[in-house]
Amino acid sequence: SQQGEEDPQALSIQEGENATMNCSYKTSINNLQWYRQNSGRGLVHLILIRSNEREKHSGRLRVTLDTSKKSSSLLITASRAADTASYFCATDAVPGGSQGNLIFGKGTKLSVKP
Amino acid sequence: ETGVTQTPRHLVMGMTNKKSLKCEQHLGHNAMYWYKQSAKKPLELMFVYSLEERVENNSVPSRFSPECPNSSHLFLHLHTLQPEDSALYLCASSQERIAGNIQYFGAGTRLSVL
Repeated sequence: SQQGEEDPQALSIQEGENATMNCSYKTSINNLQWYRQNSGRGLVHLILIRSNEREKHSGRLRVTLDTSKKSSSLLITASRAADTASYFCATDAVPGGSQGNLIFGKGTKLSVKP
Repeated sequence: ETGVTQTPRHLVMGMTNKKSLKCEQHLGHNAMYWYKQSAKKPLELMFVYSLEERVENNSVPSRFSPECPNSSHLFLHLHTLQPEDSALYLCASSQERIAGNIQYFGAGTRLSVL
């Protein structure tokens, strides 16, 4: 069953602008990850945030986690055309679920126009 | 490159054909996964192998048959597929099958069933 759900489904911005994508999930989690997928390619891990963390940074990426609202956001600052891709959140350790399995949302398709 | 290689990259097959997808990881990981990615649907976990033993089969039809001869190789044998099986098939690996594991994906095989 789907755990994470990204919002918006699609986002189009100009180069240099910031992009914010949101993920909501349904049950308690241990970790939440964000992945990126270029068109027709595999997914690439971007960042992992644990349930006891509220914010994490990696380069131009900033991830927040609000466990009370069961939501996370991914912010990409100073976007570039090369950031054009689909972005997925993934959660694990769904109660009763299998350890180590990741459950992905449908993704946000980001388009950055030069 | 992610260290996970999938072949072939593209495959077109008739409903009566038998074909196999291959995945090889050069990361020394102990867990490997098959996913199906269809348009506008979340990534679907199909099979999980841990230490060469199948530990999960997510109600996948028997026309899909996985094989893991060693910890570096994973196959997906296909026979008598249906047009709705057309999708991007992704292989992934992780160090272990535990919560918080990061998965490394191959570029996928784009399968078209005619």
